[in-house]
Amino acid sequence: DAKTTQPPSMDCAEGRAANLPCNHSTISGNEYVYWYRQIHSQGPQYIIHGLKNNETNEMASLIITEDRKSSTLILPHATLRDTAVYYCIVRVAGGAGNMLTFGGGTRLMVKP
Amino acid sequence: EPEVTQTPSHQVTQMGQEVILRCVPISNHLYFYWYRQILGQKVEFLVSFYNNEISEKSEIFDDQFSVERPDGSNFTLKIRSTKLEDSAMYFCASRTGTGTDTQYFGPGTRLTVL
Repeated sequence: DAKTTQPPSMDCAEGRAANLPCNHSTISGNEYVYWYRQIHSQGPQYIIHGLKNNETNEMASLIITEDRKSSTLILPHATLRDTAVYYCIVRVAGGAGNMLTFGGGTRLMVKP
Repeated sequence: EPEVTQTPSHQVTQMGQEVILRCVPISNHLYFYWYRQILGQKVEFLVSFYNNEISEKSEIFDDQFSVERPDGSNFTLKIRSTKLEDSAMYFCASRTGTGTDTQYFGPGTRLTVL
């Protein structure tokens, strides 16, 4: 799986948009970009994923650049409960093994 | 919404004892995983399981570890003789193997080895 690079930490004001960047310059054509978050020591929570088109769901939006070498996760109106570590992971879909490889992620602190 | 469940939420054991951590994956999922996270460190892959056999395992998953799907719903991780360094959060995950194929995680079991 391609490696990803994320800033170790970011701050965001409550109610503002949080934009979390991720670089994945060695991504392959069949690899998806997945975002998870981990609040304190809870289980990682799936947020969103995409292949090449921008995606939006009830939690977030995912913007993938045209060359697919980077992406941005957008939390449109961050709340204090969005304080967490956010992980960007690239992987192919399907296959027998296909584990997730977690890096250090970005620790997002939402401040009042 | 279906979710992965894990029991117990916290297990305390003495070094050298056997522990079994239990998981109930989402019902139509076919691929199952265990991960662990030592306090303050990254989430690490341990093992993946499909069609009643291990499909991949990491270096961490040595002979002290085993996994089993004893019935149609449970997926277990057994540590035969626990060490102090096995103290960690253990997360179970599952995925369908089709479509968007997202892995969903359980809330974790905190294992404390004394």
